[in-house]
Amino acid sequence: GQQVMQIPQYQHVQEGEDFTTYCNSSTTLSNIQWYKQRPGGHPVFLIQLVKSGEVKKQKRLTFQFGEAKKNSSLHITATQTTDVGTYFCAGPNYGQNFVFGPGTRLSVLP
Amino acid sequence: NAGVTQTPKFQVLKTGQSMTLQCAQDMNHEYMSWYRQDPGMGLRLIHYSVGAGITDQGEVPNGYNVSRSTTEDFPLRLLSAAPSQTSVYFCASSYVGAVGSTEAFFGQGTRLTVV
Repeated sequence: GQQVMQIPQYQHVQEGEDFTTYCNSSTTLSNIQWYKQRPGGHPVFLIQLVKSGEVKKQKRLTFQFGEAKKNSSLHITATQTTDVGTYFCAGPNYGQNFVFGPGTRLSVLP
Repeated sequence: NAGVTQTPKFQVLKTGQSMTLQCAQDMNHEYMSWYRQDPGMGLRLIHYSVGAGITDQGEVPNGYNVSRSTTEDFPLRLLSAAPSQTSVYFCASSYVGAVGSTEAFFGQGTRLTVV
C-alpha cells in the first residue's frame, strides 16, 4: 500500500534559522495535507495541496507540491519558539482517509 | 461549537479488560476515523467510517471494533486489552469536498495504558 515518508525525523534549530521538512510518497498523490502537533496536543490542519507544482504560503510557512505529485515540502522562515512541534504530511488512502508520515519533530532553541 | 469530543482523556486498563473509547462530532461530517499514535510512528489508521452504518478497516484494525449508528458518534471498542495497545488514540472527522476528504478535525486524544 501507499507509504508516506518524511525527513528529517528530528530537527533542532536556533531561533531565527530556517527549517524545512520533506515528504515523499511511493505513489502519485491526488492531494497532500500538512498538520502540526504541539507537544501533548492533537494534530491541527495546516493546508491541503492539490495541483502539481503548487506553492502556497501562510505567513512564514511555505508549502510546495512536487510536479510529479509524489513529494512535498514545508519550509519555515525565521523560526520562532511558537513553531515547536511535530509536522506531519498525509496522503489519501483507505477511501478518503489519510495515511500519515512519521513526522518531523522541530525544536527551536531561544 | 464543540468540534470533536473524545472521552475519557486518560484510562488505565488491566490486560484482558474491555472498554469503549467515545467520540462525538457536531459538524455533521460524513467521515470519521480512529488513529493510534505511538512514539516515532506517526498516526496509524485503525478503523474508519464514511457514513452512518458503514465502517471499514484501516492499517492496524486487529483487536478493535467500531460501529457507526449515527452521524455524530463513532465509538472504538477494545475487546481484550493488551499491553501492545498502550498508546494515544485520536478520533477525527472530515467532510467530502471537491477533491475528496478535506481537513480532518481531531479530538483531544485518549491516553491509554494497559498494564
